[in-house]
Amino acid sequence: GDSVTQMEGPVTLSEEAFLTINCTYTATGYPSLFWYVQYPGEGLQLLLKATKADDKGSNKGFEATYRKETTSFHLEKGSVQVSDSAVYFCALSSAFKAAGNKLTFGGGTRVLVKP
Amino acid sequence: EPEVTQTPSHQVTQMGQEVILRCVPISNHLYFYWYRQILGQKVEFLVSFYNNEISEKSEIFDDQFSVERPDGSNFTLKIRSTKLEDSAMYFCASSPRQVGHGYTFGSGTRLTVV
Repeated sequence: GDSVTQMEGPVTLSEEAFLTINCTYTATGYPSLFWYVQYPGEGLQLLLKATKADDKGSNKGFEATYRKETTSFHLEKGSVQVSDSAVYFCALSSAFKAAGNKLTFGGGTRVLVKP
Repeated sequence: EPEVTQTPSHQVTQMGQEVILRCVPISNHLYFYWYRQILGQKVEFLVSFYNNEISEKSEIFDDQFSVERPDGSNFTLKIRSTKLEDSAMYFCASSPRQVGHGYTFGSGTRLTVV
């Protein structure tokens, strides 16, 4: 079945540092890929997405590129802020089902940015 | 921006009791979901719902669980006889028709079974 693997945290950074969170997936065909963010005490928010190979999703300074050849969707941000402290989840939705199919999540990576 | 609303935000219940978690999805969305997240663990799919019926469910979603869209706006998750291991954050989500469109999640209901 589908699966998502992301690097374990916590990742601790200083403000303005470069952030990378690795995410790889296993799925049949061409799934859609997502990054969700969960701030302390809150729900899951869609951060960015990519629906086909070589697409780049971007939002709030974060970027991720859909790499079919390496089955990866690594999240990057060039200069993090304290407000980026959160848990980040990589997720996919299957290519083979009709609209509305389930999301498969990775285990989440906690990021802590220190001033 | 449209939101998915969940109530209550916290619920404490005794083992064996029934609980109903409530959600109001985004009004023009057609697909509805429940996920759960046990503290510190992965977000897990429970069930998806479309056109007034379950379209997919996970192994977790056994006979103790049921979902309903009673009035065209609310979407509920019922746990008939709660167990300690049902303690988790439960997230409702909705999505429009298009494939690959991200979900909108609610802020969750934290269920504690004692």
